[in-house]
Formats: sequence, structure tokens, C-alpha cells
Amino acid sequence: QVQLQESGPGLVKPSGTLSLTCAVSGASISSNSWWTWVRQPPGKGLEWIGEIYHSGNTNYNPSLKSRVTISVDKSKNQFSLNLRSLTAADTAVYYCARDRGNGSVVFDIWGQGTMVPVSS
Amino acid sequence: SSELTQDPAVSVALGQTVRITCQGDGLRTYYASWYQQKPGQAPKLVLYDKNIRPSGIPDRFSGSFSGNTASLTITGAQAEDEADYYCNSRDSSSNPLFGGGTKLTVL
Repeated sequence: QVQLQESGPGLVKPSGTLSLTCAVSGASISSNSWWTWVRQPPGKGLEWIGEIYHSGNTNYNPSLKSRVTISVDKSKNQFSLNLRSLTAADTAVYYCARDRGNGSVVFDIWGQGTMVPVSS
Repeated sequence: SSELTQDPAVSVALGQTVRITCQGDGLRTYYASWYQQKPGQAPKLVLYDKNIRPSGIPDRFSGSFSGNTASLTITGAQAEDEADYYCNSRDSSSNPLFGGGTKLTVL
């Protein structure tokens, strides 16, 4: 069964950089899927951050594009998120997810999420 | 527009039928997918494409489309269906986009 597991720091400072990794098990990251990051600020809705294909092709939310980099490590079957120039508004639960792709969006597998407070 | 609009909150009596809607121009081109999120949990896919339920999702969940509106219907709502529901499709740039979410209360 396919599982995703986020890992990263529990707390980051304003103006710093958030780095998260999503380990994929039960499936190859080279499969026909887009590997995605989604976040959810406390008490608010879901926000799509961006996605990567195993080829390295990426798409980013325009509102975050200048600060975001998503990368893939096929040798470790994982993908990563870097978010720079953090502010308190970036405090959120960060989820990784798989989009099965094929036209319409289908996030069929989700990680459990990791809460990242941005605070000094 | 590049928005998916959902009613913020909906309520339903136990055992009755409720419809949650999602409106947006992207739905004229792409199907919506629907996610259920309970407090402290990750979202869970409950419906996708025209009306397909992942394994393990009860058949009381169904979907429909009309124009730029997608609907999630729960027929015979149960207490365990109380949750936030989010739709997702694509925006005018073909990027994934979530609706604002609907909080479903089962009375």
C-alpha cells in the first residue's frame, strides 16, 4: 500500500527557509504521478503549493512561486519542498500528496501532515 | 475566474440527504475531486472524476456535474460524515485549485 511520510524541522524562524521531505513507500516516484505539496494554516482551508514529476518538471502556485523550490530524489524515492523568506503567514500544516494525474486532479494518497510554526 | 466557490457551512439531519456544491469555470473543462477532512486528520479522497468512489468509501457518497458546478451528495448522512469537505479542480492556468471548504454538521 502506498504511503507518504513528511519529515522536517518542528520550528523555523522568520526570514528563514523551510525544508521538508516526503518519503514515498509502496510506489515508485518514477510512476505516472505528480508529487505535490499542500498546506493548511490553522483554522483555514487547503492551499496547493506546487508539484513535481519524476522528470523534474515542476509547477508552482503563482502566489508562492518566487519563494518555492520542489525537487525530486529518485535514488531515495522522495521529493522535497524548500520555502524561503518565511513569515508568520507561512505557519501551517504541510502535507505531501500524490496526484494520479491524467487530466483532472486526483490526490489519492496523502501524508499525515507536519505542523510547521514560523516563530522567533 | 480562478476560484472554486463552496458554501462555508451546511447542515443535515441524521439520515437525510445533503448536497455540497462547488462552482468554478475550471469545472467546465475538468472534473472535480472531493476530499473529506476530520479534525486533526489529513484530507481523504472521497470522490473523483465524474462519480468514482475510492475503495472503502460508502456508496451514500455520489457526485454530479452541471455546467460550471460540481456537487457532492450524501444520501442518508451519518454522524461520522460530519467533517470539512473540499473540492478541487484546475484554475485558468491549469494548476490545481481547492475550494474554500464546506463545514458539514450532522444534526
